[in-house]
Amino acid sequence: QVQLVQSGAEVRNPGASVRVSCKASGYTFTRDYMYWVRQAPGQGLECMGRINPDSGDTNYVQNFQGRVTMTRDTSITTAYMELSRLTYDDTAMYYCARLYSSGADWGQGTLVTVSS
Amino acid sequence: QSALTQPPSASGSPGQSVTISCTGTSSDVGGYNYVSWYQQHPGKVPRLMIYEVSNRPSGVPDRFSGSKSGNTASLTVSGLQAEDEADYYCSSFTNRKGWVFGGGTKLTVL
Repeated sequence: QVQLVQSGAEVRNPGASVRVSCKASGYTFTRDYMYWVRQAPGQGLECMGRINPDSGDTNYVQNFQGRVTMTRDTSITTAYMELSRLTYDDTAMYYCARLYSSGADWGQGTLVTVSS
Repeated sequence: QSALTQPPSASGSPGQSVTISCTGTSSDVGGYNYVSWYQQHPGKVPRLMIYEVSNRPSGVPDRFSGSKSGNTASLTVSGLQAEDEADYYCSSFTNRKGWVFGGGTKLTVL
């Protein structure tokens, strides 16, 4: 079965960067875009962008342009999302998700806390 | 500001039906039959309830149904049950950005 397993919770100071990983298994990793979605406490789902695991091409949502970098390592079927220049407003649960027309698979989420 | 517009809240009594709307544009909801609906309980991962406008994944009760007219998609929950109380998000494919989400609707079972 499809599994997306994310790295563990992180705590960062304001101004720092964080990288979250997402290990995929159970399907052909390069076939479908991988999305990154975040959810701040008590807020809705916010798409940050996506990466084509085959080509490495990325599309970032405007709100995150310049601060987010999505990469992948096809040899270990893992996608990464790095967010820089963190502020308190970046405290949120971050999900990787394989979203496609007839289904969706989600990682378990990674809680990123920005705190001094 | 979310790409798709949903009402922030909806409610109904047990056994009643409730419909949640999701309004987009011709570039997303109106342009593709690729609308999904997710249910999210507090502290849980979103669960896919409807895909391709009106299809239910295996295991989703047939009390949940979806439809679309023009740039607006709808999720209807019939025969409301207590466990249906949750947040619901619509999502649509767009040609430039892939999938986008609505702001979410909190469904309360009175």
